Amino acid sequence: QVQLQESGPGLVKPSETLSLTCSVSGYSISSGYYWGWIRQPPGKGLEWIGSIFYSGNTYYNPSLKSRLTMSPDTSNNQFSLKLSSVTAADTAVYYCARDPKSIAGRPFDYWGQGILVTVSS
Amino acid sequence: DIQMTQSPSTLSASVGDRVTITCRASQSISSWLAWYQQKPGKAPKVLIYKASTLESGVPSRFSGSGSGTEFTLTISSLQPDDFATYYCQQYDSYPFTFGGGTKVEIK
Repeated sequence: QVQLQESGPGLVKPSETLSLTCSVSGYSISSGYYWGWIRQPPGKGLEWIGSIFYSGNTYYNPSLKSRLTMSPDTSNNQFSLKLSSVTAADTAVYYCARDPKSIAGRPFDYWGQGILVTVSS
Repeated sequence: DIQMTQSPSTLSASVGDRVTITCRASQSISSWLAWYQQKPGKAPKVLIYKASTLESGVPSRFSGSGSGTEFTLTISSLQPDDFATYYCQQYDSYPFTFGGGTKVEIK
């Protein structure tokens, strides 16, 4: 069974960098598929942040691209997200998920439980 | 970017009702549309993909239809466990985009 788990600080100061890691078990990220991040501000809808392949190929949301870096860590079967210069608007629950569209024609099928990140001084 | 417009934003219904939610894409996405169900404090769960394919383990009272720009999610007979928020998502091309959500409430 594929499982994903987000980890990282729950509180980030404005103008600093938000850093999260997604640990994957039950499937090797090097076996294929893209892996994505999605966020959801409190009480609001879902926003796709970006997706990454194990080789490092990425797709980013244009609205976040200038502040966003995603990286794979195949040795630890993880991938990470860094979002710089954060503001209160970046406060959200951040989810990681498997993105199998390019290979299997499926949408995000396995999701982490989500981690709430609050941007506040 | 492809814009996804969902309607209604809120829906009040009773157990046993037939419920339909609509999603419209700003340009053709063929059949690359998914429907998710989300309950409070939980991650979204995929119900339907490729517009009409039922995800394994999802009850058959859920069905999806449409192609191009117009899509619908139908719940044939609403059950107590179905009160939740539903989102459509296009995965035809990056950037992937979601509809604004439809909250299904108890009438």
